Amino acid sequence: DSGVTQTPKHLITATGQRVTLRCSPRSGDLSVYWYQQSLDQGLQFLIQYYNGEERAKGNILERFSAQQFPDLHSELNLSSLELGDSALYFCASGRGGGNQPQHFGDGTRLSIL
Amino acid sequence: AQSVTQPDIHITVSEGASLELRCNYSYGATPYLFWYVQSPGQGLQLLLKYFSGDTLVQGIKGFEAEFKRSQSSFNLRKPSVHWSDAAEYFCAVGDGGSQGNLIFGKGTKLSVKP
Repeated sequence: DSGVTQTPKHLITATGQRVTLRCSPRSGDLSVYWYQQSLDQGLQFLIQYYNGEERAKGNILERFSAQQFPDLHSELNLSSLELGDSALYFCASGRGGGNQPQHFGDGTRLSIL
Repeated sequence: AQSVTQPDIHITVSEGASLELRCNYSYGATPYLFWYVQSPGQGLQLLLKYFSGDTLVQGIKGFEAEFKRSQSSFNLRKPSVHWSDAAEYFCAVGDGGSQGNLIFGKGTKLSVKP
């Protein structure tokens, strides 16, 4: 058990819809990272928050957004969903520095019909 | 830009045989390197990490990895593979600085023959 909790485990929705993925980091970790894993793109970094503030952005689409709340949990919002957004979305948490390991949740599998 | 290459998409080894998974990275400064393992339907578990110092690092589950700066490599090894090691293995480089997002290779799927 990594200590990182992601909900829900599975999401099935339709094109054009909006969903919210939730992540609770390990106790004591201030940083939350979101990654997308798909067959064609592999594991791609989306966005990082550190203690409530956005710290780094990766290949995140404009239709996607995230935030980190005062209790340090984070939400990833995906809107105007397309078939290509079907993927496994991982949250990871860490202390925040580049030399700090990240601990991953079990992911949310998003299926767009 | 930083990148990680795992040349082998799929490797099959016999149980009890030794294992080496290859990883090459491209990074301008001293890299922070990681190996993760992903079992089907599960998240990624950290096997080991390299930040500095001794170039041979020990991890969990009997794995080790060796950092070779001259070859830009960080290969993962295990002397004797167990059937439970069948999984997908990802090498990653940390983006350094205060950010620390990871750049992953495409992964190597390991199958273990009885």
